[in-house]
Amino acid sequence: GAVVSQHPSRVICKSGTSVKIECRSLDFQATTMFWYRQFPKKSLMLMATSNEGSKATYEQGVEKDKFLINHASLTLSTLTVTSAHPEDSSFYICSAIGTGGVSMYEKLFFGSGTQLSVL
Amino acid sequence: KNEVEQSPQNLTAQEGEFITINCSYSVGISALHWLQQHPGGGIVSLFMLSSGKKKHGRLIATINIQEKHSSLHITASHPRDSAVYICAVSTGNQFYFGTGTSLTVIP
Repeated sequence: GAVVSQHPSRVICKSGTSVKIECRSLDFQATTMFWYRQFPKKSLMLMATSNEGSKATYEQGVEKDKFLINHASLTLSTLTVTSAHPEDSSFYICSAIGTGGVSMYEKLFFGSGTQLSVL
Repeated sequence: KNEVEQSPQNLTAQEGEFITINCSYSVGISALHWLQQHPGGGIVSLFMLSSGKKKHGRLIATINIQEKHSSLHITASHPRDSAVYICAVSTGNQFYFGTGTSLTVIP
């Protein structure tokens, strides 16, 4: 079945550094990818919608200069947390919409998530 | 007000019990998704439906478009069903998420 690979699974960084998280669709083309943040014991919070070749659409309250999203190809989207601070510590998850045929249409495939800890 | 409301928030059941999780939404949708998140974070898409009913093993999902309501049923629940179940709706490329239902099935 369709697979979304997210890397790294866990990262610890110092305050003020930048961290890049990658999300790849391994066996399908993902014209649209989503980035989410999840706090402990809370549901997913959609941060931004990323369309290949265009600027990401950010949800209200999400700083686009802090959370840089690049979706340069149909199989790769990256989220860069710039100048990370302890309050950015969270679980970040990506997902992609399946494309190519009725069986894939609008199906959501999730990465395994990245636990970011900022010291 | 959230576009997607889920109930209950928390649910504890004995192994073997029949479980129902409800989801109501307020926007026009193209599809509704039921997601399962296990401890550790991994998320799996269980169902995507836009009408009627779907069944996969012990899981059944139904949707009533007129009432803007969906239910996820688990028959003969098992401890391995313990997870957070999230309802999400899509309107084209926009998604709205419920707050999730944390299910614990006790042996």
